[in-house]
Amino acid sequence: DTEVTQTPKHLVMGMTNKKSLKCEQHMGHRAMYWYKQKAKKPPELMFVYSYEKLSINESVPSRFSPECPNSSLLNLHLHALQPEDSALYLCASSRDSSGKETQYFGPGTRLLVL
Amino acid sequence: GDSVTQMEGPVTLSEEAFLTINCTYTATGYPSLFWYVQYPGEGLQLLLKATKADDKGSNKGFEATYRKETTSFHLEKGSVQVSDSAVYFCALSGTGGGNKLTFGTGTQLKVEL
Repeated sequence: DTEVTQTPKHLVMGMTNKKSLKCEQHMGHRAMYWYKQKAKKPPELMFVYSYEKLSINESVPSRFSPECPNSSLLNLHLHALQPEDSALYLCASSRDSSGKETQYFGPGTRLLVL
Repeated sequence: GDSVTQMEGPVTLSEEAFLTINCTYTATGYPSLFWYVQYPGEGLQLLLKATKADDKGSNKGFEATYRKETTSFHLEKGSVQVSDSAVYFCALSGTGGGNKLTFGTGTQLKVEL
């Protein structure tokens, strides 16, 4: 089983709202990732968690706040977003982040910021 | 730094035609190479991978061979179907920390009856 699940599938929020995206995997993977994908572009890495600790933050604005409560769950907390943050947010996981490991992606959350 | 170059799309083919999507890369060391597919409105699915030179990845009739001498990982399929219409991303990982994926720009494939 190589399934990564994400909720919600779609999300519409105003610029003053607070919302959270959720990601879950049960493959025993110890690395999890958040990506942002704009239309007709490849995914852009936002954060990497390794063994539940944040290991990479690709200079993402603080209005995006990741959280890894345990080895199976990854959240992305959203606050005071801008319309340009509208995108598909993808979660991925891999066995670990040591390098050359296959990343498995979830179906994504399509976010619209009004 | 690492980079991946893919052929520009969209690529439009008739059903049962032969498909080639070119992918070349620049990287230090020996990266792993991947093809991901993204169907409309969905996330990325791993299509195939290769972890060392001369490895051939294959899945669902698609194939790609890791060619270190030409730094290439071209995707091929002998007979495409309408259901293969999607965006295909070539990617590499493993030459730096954090297992970062470096993606190509993606190639949209449209298969018509």
